[in-house]
Amino acid sequence: AQSVAQPEDQVNVAEGNPLTVKCTYSVSGNPYLFWYVQYPNRGLQFLLKYITGDNLVKGSYGFEAEFNKSQTSFHLKKPSALVSDSALYFCAVRDSFSGGYNKLIFGAGTRLAVHP
Amino acid sequence: NAGVTQTPKFQVLKTGQSMTLQCAQDMNHNSMYWYRQDPGMGLRLIYYSASEGTTDKGEVPNGYNVSRLNKREFSLRLESAAPSQTSVYFCASQGDRDYGYTFGSGTRLTVV
Repeated sequence: AQSVAQPEDQVNVAEGNPLTVKCTYSVSGNPYLFWYVQYPNRGLQFLLKYITGDNLVKGSYGFEAEFNKSQTSFHLKKPSALVSDSALYFCAVRDSFSGGYNKLIFGAGTRLAVHP
Repeated sequence: NAGVTQTPKFQVLKTGQSMTLQCAQDMNHNSMYWYRQDPGMGLRLIYYSASEGTTDKGEVPNGYNVSRLNKREFSLRLESAAPSQTSVYFCASQGDRDYGYTFGSGTRLTVV
């Protein structure tokens, strides 16, 4: 079955430190991978995606993600965390068995808390 | 600004009442989706639509119906609301080329 896992419910980081939010996936064929962020009482906003090409993908707000095919991972990273990065982060993968659709399968989400 | 518009933003219903959540996008996207978000459960797909006149069930369709009125609009109807339908509902549309979603700002529904 196709799936996405975010193994950490919450990640705590001190401001200025690097952060990593983990994501692993299981799909058939080539994965199309996404990261979204949700700020309180808001909809989800697109951060970045991997379709093909370089394994290191750069996105909005200084975030980047590294695609690792052998480990089936797509971890979200940022070199220096800001308090304003505190939010709920979702990893998603395209469902390759969606019969002509390209619907996404979402992980359960990871809450990032950046402390001053 | 281009995007996905959801109405209403908040709603309180009594058990057994009905209501329709509205969603409209102005990006000329073909695919549209309805999700619900519950604590600890992430996003669960309710229904989706590839184009006008086409709809399909997602992971949790029971208790819901949808209408793809035209390319822009995709509505979600609760015929007889139940407390288990208390949730935040998100509509999303999807571009044909990049596969990513654009989400609306959500509808927070409480059923008492």
